[in-house]
Amino acid sequence: GESVGLHLPTLSVQEGDNSIINCAYSNSASDYFIWYKQESGKGPQFIIDIRSNMDKRQGQRVTVLLNKTVKHLSLQIAATQPGDSAVYFCAEKETGNQFYFGTGTSLTVIP
Amino acid sequence: DTGVSQDPRHKITKRGQNVTFRCDPISEHNRLYWYRQTLGQGPEFLTYFQNEAQLEKSRLLSDRFSAERPKGSFSTLEIQRTEQGDSAMYLCASAPGLAGLVAKNIQYFGAGTRLSVL
Repeated sequence: GESVGLHLPTLSVQEGDNSIINCAYSNSASDYFIWYKQESGKGPQFIIDIRSNMDKRQGQRVTVLLNKTVKHLSLQIAATQPGDSAVYFCAEKETGNQFYFGTGTSLTVIP
Repeated sequence: DTGVSQDPRHKITKRGQNVTFRCDPISEHNRLYWYRQTLGQGPEFLTYFQNEAQLEKSRLLSDRFSAERPKGSFSTLEIQRTEQGDSAMYLCASAPGLAGLVAKNIQYFGAGTRLSVL
């Protein structure tokens, strides 16, 4: 649970394009995952969550995909907007109540 | 504004001093978490309360750190004999935690208290 990590530390996309942010986790016992967005000077903000018994969940402009076989999580943001620029974290929860966060990916949207 | 308040927003202290931070969670939330975040890193779990009971603590948490939630509402985090390595953002989060509620694990974070130890 303490090896949650992200493949890319930074990502730049053109406004209107789709963004994909990836996350690898190491603990196959993790049963719940959350994506957070953190803007400068603020605390993390919930985006979307997914339980381990699902492989896909959609929200407003966001989709989370979970591949338990390879312990991989991704966040897809459709039609990326300048307001989406932030650091994105994935977090996993094991059987208790401790959440483990990855290092984060910094998303920059180019107007 | 998530509804979770932290005070103070910034704290500068000298090494060896004690500091105390306060967190006021969303009123109907019974779960409360403390995290520490350093620059360029994700939040690191420190401790977790269910109502007034401190149920989990990180095994990495120094005994200089103590947290309380005496009435199951607000919480305080105290760091004794601060060290320069304690400099970080301290985040508090609350979650509904109601059994059967789908969103019971979704944590709402405050803006944090930034600690600088000189």
